[in-house]
Amino acid sequence: NAGVTQTPKFRILKIGQSMTLQCTQDMNHNYMYWYRQDPGMGLKLIYYSVGAGITDKGEVPNGYNVSRSTTEDFPLRLELAAPSQTSVYFCASRLLTGLSGNTIYFGEGSWLTVV
Amino acid sequence: AQSVTQPDIHITVSEGASLELRCNYSYGATPYLFWYVQSPGQGLQLLLKYFSGDTLVQGIKGFEAEFKRSQSSFNLRKPSVHWSDAAEYFCAVGGGGNKLTFGTGTQLKVEL
Repeated sequence: NAGVTQTPKFRILKIGQSMTLQCTQDMNHNYMYWYRQDPGMGLKLIYYSVGAGITDKGEVPNGYNVSRSTTEDFPLRLELAAPSQTSVYFCASRLLTGLSGNTIYFGEGSWLTVV
Repeated sequence: AQSVTQPDIHITVSEGASLELRCNYSYGATPYLFWYVQSPGQGLQLLLKYFSGDTLVQGIKGFEAEFKRSQSSFNLRKPSVHWSDAAEYFCAVGGGGNKLTFGTGTQLKVEL
């Protein structure tokens, strides 16, 4: 069971560079999320998607973009990297229906440093 | 707005001692409550969850949590801590909608 897979695991970016964090899930989940985790701050929701073709902003969307062209994939794009975007990024997914549908499954994280 | 408070940033316990991690939530309706554990360099693993029914829920690795509506709490407990339990623990609250809100985490250190 692959679950939620994120790549890359580690990346160093220079200020102003762009990059895409990839996320794919093989559980046929309709909901997908991107969170960032900063020390002492818990997890903050960046963007989420309720299905292919539908995305919406979370708590901290500035500086990021997402797309959801398929059920499986939910890439997160940083257009002009800034030091404030140094963080650990987690992709997650959830199945909409049923009681178990309220459990969110997380990827292993992507460590991003902007210098 | 929903929110979660984990008042203890760090907790240190001796191996074999009991553990209780505190979680208080704010939510306008019946909440769905979760505890996740994160080991260094790893993602988040679900320990247990509460949706409805019995207010004492059992999870993996010998953990349990009790939902107390009157206190808006969902504290995590373990009767005897093992050194491998050292990690960061996150409480989260959500509903039937999209958003899951996390607390800021409690870092658990286990002394041998």
